[in-house]
Amino acid sequence: SAVISQKPSRDICQRGTSLTIQCQVDSQVTMMFWYRQQPGQSLTLIATANQGSEATYESGFVIDKFPISRPNLTFSTLTVSNMSPEDSSIYLCSVEQGPGYGYTFGSGTRLTVV
Amino acid sequence: EDQVTQSPEALRLQEGESSSLNCSYTVSGLRGLFWYRQDPGKGPEFLFTLYSAGEEKEKERLKATLTKKESFLHITAPKPEDSATYLCAVREAAGNKLTFGGGTRVLVKP
Repeated sequence: SAVISQKPSRDICQRGTSLTIQCQVDSQVTMMFWYRQQPGQSLTLIATANQGSEATYESGFVIDKFPISRPNLTFSTLTVSNMSPEDSSIYLCSVEQGPGYGYTFGSGTRLTVV
Repeated sequence: EDQVTQSPEALRLQEGESSSLNCSYTVSGLRGLFWYRQDPGKGPEFLFTLYSAGEEKEKERLKATLTKKESFLHITAPKPEDSATYLCAVREAAGNKLTFGGGTRVLVKP
């Protein structure tokens, strides 16, 4: 299965600032997915990122707050903009592995906004 | 809208005490039901994908089954290393999005 590297693994940020999270995959994939996992909660999809096109955002998430880049088939970034304490969460990227193999997730970025 | 409900929210087991976790779902055309294991501070680890009612899959002490409305994850003779949060997710026929349930936190005591 694909191996996903996420950076940073954790960060503590001041409110009002922005953080860019990187996701690198060791193989080419068509779609990459960004999820948020709030403390004690399950995963919620933020957006789907295809190479060469604008990301598709889920209800409740907007591009101005969570801009996404997808410059090639192995890399994507998610920026959390103008952060507030409510943005404190784990952010995870994911890729689809194909039938029977499910989706692989990165280890996540634990963000704390103070 | 897809809905996924997992029960119980938490489960405390003695080592060797078998049990089952439930995942009830409502989806417009199921294109896969997924089970994941998540350890603290880590991303979800893929366990199984089930596609149609009646399908079963096994891996070590875990066995997943699927009906038209729910899935079960059976843990047979669990060990302390089976302690984790188990997540269920569905993918509907139209699209590639996964909708996750709230998870079941399993603690297996020696």
